[in-house]
Amino acid sequence: DQQVKQNSPSLSVQEGRISILNCDYTNSMFDYFLWYKKYPAEGPTFLISISSIKDKNEDGRFTVFLNKSAKHLSLHIVPSQPGDSAVYFCAASDTNAGKSTFGDGTTLTVKP
Amino acid sequence: DADVTQTPRNRITKTGKRIMLECSQTKGHDRMYWYRQDPGLGLRLIYYSFDVKDINKGEISDGYSVSRQAQAKFSLSLESAIPNQTALYFCATSDLGGSGSYTGELFFGEGSRLTVL
Repeated sequence: DQQVKQNSPSLSVQEGRISILNCDYTNSMFDYFLWYKKYPAEGPTFLISISSIKDKNEDGRFTVFLNKSAKHLSLHIVPSQPGDSAVYFCAASDTNAGKSTFGDGTTLTVKP
Repeated sequence: DADVTQTPRNRITKTGKRIMLECSQTKGHDRMYWYRQDPGLGLRLIYYSFDVKDINKGEISDGYSVSRQAQAKFSLSLESAIPNQTALYFCATSDLGGSGSYTGELFFGEGSRLTVL
């Protein structure tokens, strides 16, 4: 049973518009949620995180929203830029266990 | 130089061969992880280690073994490689940080692409 799901394998948006990437989870033990960005031939790099006690965290163009009752989080990128084109992984962390579980990723393409 | 270094970056081998993937880090982190990524799929945890004497199995440890030679080094071995172990392998580290600051953030190497023929 997949504990972290990203139901959209791909997303294409126009430069300047908003990108919204979604993620659902099932395990209530997760206490932090993170987004990672991955370019080809590179390892994933941390983008932004949110604690389970928060409902929003913003960092520049990137905002993560958490709906704990729905076990759903989303990453908003505004405005989207061509350099944002990458694979985005949602990860849920159980910090007590010291482990993270990843979704399958969403490939974002931002068209100029 | 990268903080988390994986060697080799690419390896092609044959079924039944023993393969070792190595990971070293200069971040001074205690926790190290090995993940596997298959096309179109996320990262799945193979093994993780919280310190030199603490090794734990992840969700897909069968067919793999690990060695934590030092705080900075964590190796992944495939004792007898099989074609369905063809994948991209990532090493990662994390740090507990200060009190209340641990988020589970992982720092990844650039990956080791393994092909088993």
